[in-house]
Amino acid sequence: KQEVTQIPAALSVPEGENLVLNCSFTDSAIYNLQWFRQDPGKGLTSLLLIQSSQREQTSGRLNASLDKSSGRSTLYIAASQPGDSATYLCAVRPRGSTLGRLYFGRGTQLTVWP
Amino acid sequence: DTAVSQTPKYLVTQMGNDKSIKCEQNLGHDTMYWYKQDSKKFLKIMFSYNNKELIINETVPNRFSPKSPDKAHLNLHINSLELGDSAVYFCASSFTDGELFFGEGSRLTVL
Repeated sequence: KQEVTQIPAALSVPEGENLVLNCSFTDSAIYNLQWFRQDPGKGLTSLLLIQSSQREQTSGRLNASLDKSSGRSTLYIAASQPGDSATYLCAVRPRGSTLGRLYFGRGTQLTVWP
Repeated sequence: DTAVSQTPKYLVTQMGNDKSIKCEQNLGHDTMYWYKQDSKKFLKIMFSYNNKELIINETVPNRFSPKSPDKAHLNLHINSLELGDSAVYFCASSFTDGELFFGEGSRLTVL
């Protein structure tokens, strides 16, 4: 069974810092990996989706990389802002899985202070 | 226009009652899901439907019954509510094996 771990569980940084959030998964046979952010009391907002054949995806100040062989993905946030404060979740869709069976990590709670 | 909308956003009810949560998506997706987020914020899939056909039915008590009248709607009905059912329930949709889009969640509190 796929297990997804996110480190650190919480991160507090001053505004302007570049930071890296980590996601690791136990089974490298994945179909894709998706990063989300969740604001308090809100739903999940999709940030980036990386297919298993891709190495990275970029959207604005966000860059996500995928290394299937080592079972790792990182989310890089450049020039962090207070508005980036949220919980960041990664989710893995295993290859051959039944539709919808995403496995989620427990998230990294990010606080960016001014 | 909200892509995935679910109602109600908040639901407070007594033990033993029956309640429903509705979900609609306007993205043209063929797959819809229900996820449960517990008090520790862990997300776990409950059900998924593809083209109105039930695909995933996790180890969820049979008091929970999903219904998909069409590809754009997936409702969740819960019978005989228990304290442990208190959680946030998220609806999501996607194209087959594609990117998931979530609703805002429905926070259920059972007293």
